[in-house]
Amino acid sequence: TQLLEQSPQFLSIQEGENLTVYCNSSSVFSSLQWYRQEPGEGPVLLVTVVTGGEVKKLKRLTFQFGDARKDSSLHITAAQPGDTGLYLCADRKPSGTYKYIFGTGTRLKVLA
Amino acid sequence: ETGVTQTPRHLVMGMTNKKSLKCEQHLGHNAMYWYKQSAKKPLELMFVYSLEERVENNSVPSRFSPECPNSSHLFLHLHTLQPEDSALYLCASSLITGTSGGGELFFGEGSRLTVL
Repeated sequence: TQLLEQSPQFLSIQEGENLTVYCNSSSVFSSLQWYRQEPGEGPVLLVTVVTGGEVKKLKRLTFQFGDARKDSSLHITAAQPGDTGLYLCADRKPSGTYKYIFGTGTRLKVLA
Repeated sequence: ETGVTQTPRHLVMGMTNKKSLKCEQHLGHNAMYWYKQSAKKPLELMFVYSLEERVENNSVPSRFSPECPNSSHLFLHLHTLQPEDSALYLCASSLITGTSGGGELFFGEGSRLTVL
């Protein structure tokens, strides 16, 4: 059974600081997705990455996919209180199944 | 109308009660999911329906009974639950196209369930 470990589990930082969170898989990702879940809401997709070594940027967020496709990082530059939430990585399994395996999550709090 | 709507948002029930959670999607998707989110645990997939047919059932206890009357509606019927079933229950939908599998999951806001 594939396991997705995320670190750190919790992170509390001041507004304006930079941070990086990590997602490591026990097996190769089929298709990696990052979601953010704000308090009282459901998760919302941030990005999907498929190719090893791929880097994607979404405003102040930078997503990196490891060359071996077993790990990923999410870097946030100049964090803002609106970035507060639970960050989840997920593996979207290949066609023929409907499984999405989710990680344990990193709970981020950005203080004003 | 928002994408995926869940009702009720909060539910408190006793162990002998029968209640139902409802999910509705207005996105034209053809697959719907129930996930359970507990503290300190990853999101757990419970059930998946594709084109109204149940295609995944992840060893969920029979006290949880799903129903999908059409591609826009999904229910989770609850009966004789246990306190450990207290959690956030999330509904999601996606569009399955050809052989590419599911794409983005669109989640509802969740139903927070407390079993006393």
